[in-house]
Amino acid sequence: QTVVTQEPSFSVSPGGTVTLTCGLSSGSVSTTYYPSWYQQIPGQAPHTLIYNTNTRSSGVPDRFSGSILGNKAALTITGAQADDESDYYCVLYMGDGIWMFGGGTKLTVL
Amino acid sequence: QVHLVESGGGVVQPGRSLRLSCAASGFTFSAYGLHWVRQAPGKGLEWVAVIWYDGSRDHYADSVKGRFTISRDNSRSTVYLQMNSLTAEDTAVYYCVLAAAASNFDGWGQGTLVTVAS
Repeated sequence: QTVVTQEPSFSVSPGGTVTLTCGLSSGSVSTTYYPSWYQQIPGQAPHTLIYNTNTRSSGVPDRFSGSILGNKAALTITGAQADDESDYYCVLYMGDGIWMFGGGTKLTVL
Repeated sequence: QVHLVESGGGVVQPGRSLRLSCAASGFTFSAYGLHWVRQAPGKGLEWVAVIWYDGSRDHYADSVKGRFTISRDNSRSTVYLQMNSLTAEDTAVYYCVLAAAASNFDGWGQGTLVTVAS
């Protein structure tokens, strides 16, 4: 059973840059998986940051960007701010009508 | 503006059934697929099921296949999740999510909590 992998936790300094990744336990992530990224503040519903690999959702600041880096999808946050401290999830389209979320990354800004 | 309101959650005994509903507004309901996504307490997101815009196709995560059924009523702008043979592992907040283009989970409800316990 293929698993979508994410770093369990990451920390970044205010103003710094961080790249979170989304991989597969077996194989490489490509654009055909339509990777998307979601931010979830504890106690709230998630909301879209990036979809279709690198398309920013409406209203999302350009500090957030998506890409494919090597064999993984990536979410890069530049100029990290205190309110970026959240949980981040990626989801991949596995084909045949099936999607799969990664386990999430808890980002700390300190 | 996409507005999704889930209902039907509650406490249910193991082995019993529950049906969740999600009422939609703010978009052309019959033009979009809908997902159900769940989140167990303190855990990550888990995709559960999807139904095509016209109800012609539905797909499920392995963890719920054969027990859960997603359906929709386009005349009522409502999607449902029938959950049978519930176990403690199904305890979670269940979110209804719009299936927008390019695999974008765009528009989430506030969620409804399902607790499976005796």
